[in-house]
Amino acid sequence: DGGITQSPKYLFRKEGQNVTLSCEQNLNHDAMYWYRQDPGQGLRLIYYSQIVNDFQKGDIAEGYSVSREKKESFPLTVTSAQKNPTAFYLCASSIVHRESEQYFGPGTRLTVT
Amino acid sequence: KNEVEQSPQNLTAQEGEFITINCSYSVGISALHWLQQHPGGGIVSLFMLSSGKKKHGRLIATINIQEKHSSLHITASHPRDSAVYICAVRETSGSRLTFGEGTQLTVNP
Repeated sequence: DGGITQSPKYLFRKEGQNVTLSCEQNLNHDAMYWYRQDPGQGLRLIYYSQIVNDFQKGDIAEGYSVSREKKESFPLTVTSAQKNPTAFYLCASSIVHRESEQYFGPGTRLTVT
Repeated sequence: KNEVEQSPQNLTAQEGEFITINCSYSVGISALHWLQQHPGGGIVSLFMLSSGKKKHGRLIATINIQEKHSSLHITASHPRDSAVYICAVRETSGSRLTFGEGTQLTVNP
């Protein structure tokens, strides 16, 4: 079955620790995205990548980092510089086309205390 | 003001009712998406529209480009339709999506 996997579903960390969220897709999509979702707000774009070894900042990139070493994988690191990291994180992928649909993973709920 | 506004924010209906969720946007777009998010958090794409109307089962989506408005209709609503429905637009100037805040729909039996 083709799709996007994110792991783990729930993640707990202590303040000051970096944490990496996994996103893998087997849809052969070139483009991948990371979004953050907070209660009462729409999804906000953190980073996106349209090709291997290249990525661009989204609207809220501060305190986050990504890598795109393989087409299938787009891990997101939430660093200690992110002031309010507790949120629901969604990964998505698509073909690189202006009117393409995005396919979403199941999400990771990160809680930092 | 958000570029994408949805109404209502919350909607409660009885099983069998006809549901309408609205989405207004303020930018030029190449496509509009309707997405469904279930309580577990996963998001599924329902429709992608650039003009007119699309239908899939009990779901109907319409868009009026001149009025910058789209509606999502659910006929014969069912408790399993309970979810958050999200409108997102792709601006003509770029490839990224801008999302509305979502509409929480609860359908009671």
